[in-house]
Amino acid sequence: NAGVMQNPRHLVRRRGQEARLRCSPMKGHSHVYWYRQLPEEGLKFMVYLQKENIIDESGMPKERFSAEFPKEGPSILRIQQVVRGDSAAYFCASQLDVNTEAFFGQGTRLTVV
Amino acid sequence: AQTVTQSQPEMSVQEAETVTLSCTYDTSESNYYLFWYKQPPSRQMILVIRQEAYKQQNATENRFSVNFQKAAKSFSLKISDSQLGDTAMYFCAFLGIQGAQKLVFGQGTRLTINP
Repeated sequence: NAGVMQNPRHLVRRRGQEARLRCSPMKGHSHVYWYRQLPEEGLKFMVYLQKENIIDESGMPKERFSAEFPKEGPSILRIQQVVRGDSAAYFCASQLDVNTEAFFGQGTRLTVV
Repeated sequence: AQTVTQSQPEMSVQEAETVTLSCTYDTSESNYYLFWYKQPPSRQMILVIRQEAYKQQNATENRFSVNFQKAAKSFSLKISDSQLGDTAMYFCAFLGIQGAQKLVFGQGTRLTINP
């Protein structure tokens, strides 16, 4: 059973471009979370999704950021018109059910130049 | 809103020594989970240990143990017989039972084990 897979591991974008980060949860997991980690800081919650539904997006910036978890395929975190301040590591975690362990992917390091 | 505070940005000990990392948190909930995660240079978030608030017994995993003081809202991690491979960032995290299952992380403690 493969773990949580995130790709790409590293992503470089120029200011104004779009960034798409992918997360394939562990097999059978229908709960997905996205977190952002700025340099030298802890992870900050962004969004919680279940299949085809956004449950909690209270940590998402109001503009330029969106997330989806379609019925088929990976969860996608999309950042439009990236700015330097979006440079961070973005982590995905998946969970089989509530109150069970969340497993993390290895993260995607986004660098905006 | 819940908050998690780790007051030690960095710590350094010699191999084989015991080290304790501090964590305090704030919540109005009575039942919740607390975690310690390890993040080595590879960036992978690795679960070290988990504590359920309704359990009075402190969790233990091999060389790792916690001192959970619910009234004081304190959750420290003790690493015994420290090894070079323990060098990493360590994050304390809170998970409430109510509402969305989002982890709240502390700022982290950078632990270095010296040979």
